[in-house]
Amino acid sequence: GQSLEQPSEVTAVEGAIVQINCTYQTSGFYGLSWYQQHDGGAPTFLSYNALDGLEETGRFSSFLSRSDSYGYLLLQELQMKDSASYFCAVITGGSYIPTFGRGTSLIVHP
Amino acid sequence: DAGVTQSPTHLIKTRGQQVTLRCSPKSGHDTVSWYQQALGQGPQFIFQYYEEEERQRGNFPDRFSGHQFPNYSSELNVNALLLGDSALYLCASSLGEVPQPQHFGDGTRLSIL
Repeated sequence: GQSLEQPSEVTAVEGAIVQINCTYQTSGFYGLSWYQQHDGGAPTFLSYNALDGLEETGRFSSFLSRSDSYGYLLLQELQMKDSASYFCAVITGGSYIPTFGRGTSLIVHP
Repeated sequence: DAGVTQSPTHLIKTRGQQVTLRCSPKSGHDTVSWYQQALGQGPQFIFQYYEEEERQRGNFPDRFSGHQFPNYSSELNVNALLLGDSALYLCASSLGEVPQPQHFGDGTRLSIL
């Protein structure tokens, strides 16, 4: 089977940097995705890592270490609008269907 | 460029009833996936449709069925509703078979009384 672990909640202040970790156990690992979901809204794709290393997209970066079965999402220059739930999702080869973690609720304080 | 649209936005049903949810994919997308998201959980994969056929299925009972039309839109049907079926049902579209970002709709909030 598959399992993903991420913290249930993270809090930070505006302008700060926050890191949301994700560890996974799966067979046939292909890649790791991150999604953002505001309350009552649609999940929105943020990033995808298939290879080890850091991918940067504006204020958001995502990291993957395949040997450690570990990844993280890094959010810089936090803004109030970044308050949302963040999900890591494992993609396995063959199906390419994302399996989502339980999500991390990020609360940004002024 | 229209994104993924779902209808209805909210629905209230009673146990034992049947429900049909609808989804129109993002323009240019040909693959539709359905997810169930319980409160405080991540989306759980139900099934995926491509070329009007169910291509993959998650761990959901046969009470959950679907359909894809020639215009790529899709329906999710749930029979014999249970209280535990109360959730946000999300539709996501993508292009092709290789890993692609899933573009989600805002979902249908289904409440079972």
